[in-house]
Amino acid sequence: GDSVTQMEGPVTLSEEAFLTINCTYTATGYPSLFWYVQYPGEGLQLLLKATKADDKGSNKGFEATYRKETTSFHLEKGSVQVSDSAVYFCALRRTGNQFYFGTGTSLTVIP
Amino acid sequence: KAGVTQTPRYLIKTRGQQVTLSCSPISGHRSVSWYQQTPGQGLQFLFEYFSETQRNKGNFPGRFSGRQFSNSRSEMNVSTLELGDSALYLCASSPDRGEGDTQYFGPGTRLTVL
Repeated sequence: GDSVTQMEGPVTLSEEAFLTINCTYTATGYPSLFWYVQYPGEGLQLLLKATKADDKGSNKGFEATYRKETTSFHLEKGSVQVSDSAVYFCALRRTGNQFYFGTGTSLTVIP
Repeated sequence: KAGVTQTPRYLIKTRGQQVTLSCSPISGHRSVSWYQQTPGQGLQFLFEYFSETQRNKGNFPGRFSGRQFSNSRSEMNVSTLELGDSALYLCASSPDRGEGDTQYFGPGTRLTVL
């Protein structure tokens, strides 16, 4: 069945460090891919998305490229800030609006 | 546009009781999905409703049920509560048009079962 595998956390980085959170998926066909972020005590917020192969989603300095050949959608940011501390979820959407989420990666950025 | 709202935000119940959670989607959104989030299991899909019909269902026991009204508002019911039902319950709505439509999440209802 469809699934999403995310890099295990927690991840701790210093401010201005480079961030990569790995995400790979298993699915038939060409699902849409998403990154959501959850700040403490809040629900999930959409961070970025990509709907087809080679698409790059970007928002707030974060980027992820839909790689069909490696079935990956890794999240990157060139210089993280303390305010980026949150839990990040990778997800895929199948036809019929069924979403599958990864287990989440907790990121802490220290000044 | 107002976001997805969920009520109540916090709830404390005891084992054996039942509970009803409510979700109001973003205006114009017809699809509402429910998820259970726990530290051990992450986000698990419960069910999705579209135009008052359950369209998708996750792997949860029959104690978990839901419904959707004609105005797209949705309720989720859990009967005979167990300690393991303690979790954050998230509702998400989407317009459900074409591929790549996004789910927009509410803040969640934190359920504690004692």
